[in-house]
Amino acid sequence: EAQVTQNPRYLITVTGKKLTVTCSQNMNHEYMSWYRQDPGLGLRQIYYSMNVEVTDKGDVPEGYKVSRKEKRNFPLILESPSPNQTSLYFCASRTGRAYEQYFGPGTRLTVT
Amino acid sequence: AQSVTQLDSQVPVFEEAPVELRCNYSSSVSVYLFWYVQYPNQGLQLLLKYLSGSTLVESINGFEAEFNKSQTSFHLRKPSVHISDTAEYFCAVIDGTGGYNKLIFGAGTRLAVHP
Repeated sequence: EAQVTQNPRYLITVTGKKLTVTCSQNMNHEYMSWYRQDPGLGLRQIYYSMNVEVTDKGDVPEGYKVSRKEKRNFPLILESPSPNQTSLYFCASRTGRAYEQYFGPGTRLTVT
Repeated sequence: AQSVTQLDSQVPVFEEAPVELRCNYSSSVSVYLFWYVQYPNQGLQLLLKYLSGSTLVESINGFEAEFNKSQTSFHLRKPSVHISDTAEYFCAVIDGTGGYNKLIFGAGTRLAVHP
């Protein structure tokens, strides 16, 4: 089944404790993105990647890092999480030619 | 740069009533438009899209949206809603400036269908 998977689905952590949210897609898509969803703000792009080793900032990159060492994986790293990063996070992927994005199930992160 | 405005944050409606969720975008240049749906505790799923051709597009579960270039709108409609349509709906547009086709989302409209 074609899908985007994220882990973990739920995470509660404390300020300053480094964490990684994994994202993997099995559709051989070139493009991958991370979004955060906050009430009243919709989804905002954090980082995106157009291919292996090619990443760029989205609209709200502060406090986040990403890497793209393999085509299928695009982890999101929070080196020192803060409470304002409490949010619902989505990973998405698409081919280079298409506009439709496929979304993962989401990761709900709470930073206390 | 493109932007998207969803005019209603919440829309309550009774089962079997018609509904319209409103969406306006900011630019008429090379417009590609989408509606995504997010059911409770799930990720986003593509509901329908306009890329070119007929300005009226339909989904498999009875929703339709019409691309209106003069009014820069892409409103979503359904003539008779079901309880199972309760979800959050996001309008989105492609922003192709800068060489990367970024998806810009509206703030979302929460549709609550009551029996």
